[in-house]
Amino acid sequence: DVKVTQSSRYLVKRTGEKVFLECVQDMDHENMFWYRQDPGLGLRLIYFSYDVKMKEKGDIPEGYSVSREKKERFSLILESASTNQTSMYLCASSLRGPATNEKLFFGSGTQLSVL
Amino acid sequence: DQQVKQNSPSLSVQEGRISILNCDYTNSMFDYFLWYKKYPAEGPTFLISISSIKDKNEDGRFTVFLNKSAKHLSLHIVPSQPGDSAVYFCAASVGNSGYSTLTFGKGTMLLVSP
Repeated sequence: DVKVTQSSRYLVKRTGEKVFLECVQDMDHENMFWYRQDPGLGLRLIYFSYDVKMKEKGDIPEGYSVSREKKERFSLILESASTNQTSMYLCASSLRGPATNEKLFFGSGTQLSVL
Repeated sequence: DQQVKQNSPSLSVQEGRISILNCDYTNSMFDYFLWYKKYPAEGPTFLISISSIKDKNEDGRFTVFLNKSAKHLSLHIVPSQPGDSAVYFCAASVGNSGYSTLTFGKGTMLLVSP
């Protein structure tokens, strides 16, 4: 089974801090994604990457950046955390291909609270 | 602009009965649709998908129906079981290029009571 591991389950940070959320997948997937999930808003795409060192903005990239130095690792960076970035963050990966692009494998999520 | 809509935030069904979860979309370019299931404190897991060239796809107790003219899809669960209680997300994508991104609905919480 594919495993997508997010480094922290719960995280509490202060406003203005720089925050790193780490994600590692073990199935050699080309595509990796960062979503946030908020009550009443569903899942919204922040950034994604389809190859090492490649990144693309999703629907809500403002206030975030990403890094993909290795194929298996995709990091989400909050440059200066704000209270409106309190959310559940979900990392996902998928295998490139017409039948597999959309079949995302998600990690368990990181609940981030910014105080 | 919400391109994928799940208008029912919640649904309650008795064990053994049919659960029908609905999803509407506005983008006519969407050509691949998926359902994901999410339990509390876990990430979503892929459940079933359908391509726009089909109108039905079945996998065990789960069937997805697609009505392209109405831009509507539905997920049927028969028979429903208490373990099906979860949040269900409808998702859609455009094309089958080297990579594609999903647009998710807001989710419907299904509660199956014994």
